[in-house]
Order: sequence, then C-alpha cells, then structure tokens
Amino acid sequence: EPEVTQTPSHQVTQMGQEVILRCVPISNHLYFYWYRQILGQKVEFLVSFYNNEISEKSEIFDDQFSVERPDGSNFTLKIRSTKLEDSAMYFCASRAGSAGNQPQHFGDGTRLSIL
Amino acid sequence: GENVEQHPSTLSVQEGDSAVIKCTYSDSASNYFPWYKQELGKRPQLIIDIRSNVGEKKDQRIAVTLNKTAKHFSLHITETQPEDSAVYFCAASKGNQFYFGTGTSLTVIP
Repeated sequence: EPEVTQTPSHQVTQMGQEVILRCVPISNHLYFYWYRQILGQKVEFLVSFYNNEISEKSEIFDDQFSVERPDGSNFTLKIRSTKLEDSAMYFCASRAGSAGNQPQHFGDGTRLSIL
Repeated sequence: GENVEQHPSTLSVQEGDSAVIKCTYSDSASNYFPWYKQELGKRPQLIIDIRSNVGEKKDQRIAVTLNKTAKHFSLHITETQPEDSAVYFCAASKGNQFYFGTGTSLTVIP
C-alpha cells in the first residue's frame, strides 16, 4: 500500500536557524497538508496545498512558515527562524480526489527539536 | 471556524468491555468525520470515517454514529483488546481543512 514518507525522522536545530522538513505524498494524491503536534497535545492544522498554491492556512502558519512543491514529488515545509516553541512533531498528509470528504493519509512525522 | 470537542480525555476499560468516545462540532457545513488512532510516537492512522449523508457505519468491532441535528458523532469499540490501547482523535472536515479533537487516551486493562 502506498505511503506518505517524511524525512528526516528527527531534526535537531539551534534556535534561529532555518529548517526544511520534507515529504513525499502518495503519487496520485492532489491535496497536501502539514500538521503540528506538540508533545501530548492534539494534532493542529497548519496549511493545505492544492494546485501549486496554499488553499487554507491556520493562524499558526505565520510569516515564518512557507511551503513549496519544488518538483512533482516533494512537498516541503520551511521554518525560517526557528523558536523554542516550534519544537513538535510535524506530520505531512495527503489525500486524493476533488471531493471534500476523502480520507487523509499521514506520514510518520518529523520530530523537530529546537535547542 | 470549526470547533471540535472530544470527551473523555482519558478512558480505561477492562478487556472485553466496550469503549465510547464522543465528539461535537460547531459548523453545520462539516460533512466528513474521520477517526484516527495514534500509538505512541507513531502516525495517526485512519480507522473509520463517516460522511454526513450516513447515520452509522460499522467495521468489525468499530462503529461510528453521526447525529447531524445535534452535531455530534461517536466512536464505539466493542470487545476491546489490549492492542486497542492508544490515543484516538476525531476530526471534522468541510472542504480542504480538517479540525481535530483533543484526543482520548484509551487504556484497555487485560
């Protein structure tokens, strides 16, 4: 069964540095997402992406964040100047189809630790 | 925006008993309601979902019910097993955004 893959599994970065988290969505999927989960808390929506542009974003997704689909397979999340509070698990997800009610498939996540 | 509330936050049941987790949502336009199971340190995995044109759906020991009028939906797990122990998240969706509940930590005691 095809899966969403994320790299790296764990990223340790100094505060103020830039990080790029990478995701390869399932190949025939059209909608891509990034979520954040702070340890022990709920999954929080960051951004959704469709047709090479952001379709929706939350208040968490401020100017420090950006997403990109640089080629036909990768979907990246960049945090420009990391803060301690950015430490969390970041999940990428994708889903197929144009209808709203399609299931999302999550990757294994990248654990981001800001020192 | 949508607000999804989930209860209880923790739930312990004896093996073989049933577990019920409840969620409410605020936006009547939400039309898709997935449930995810997340084991410690792992990805959320879809276990069952329901669309707004259906009131109930069952898959073996797992069932979900939806009351659109009251804007609540519930997950029912029967004959619980220790491997059901995990955190369960509900979500509500309309369009391209998904709103998650705060999660229920389920412990099944052997």
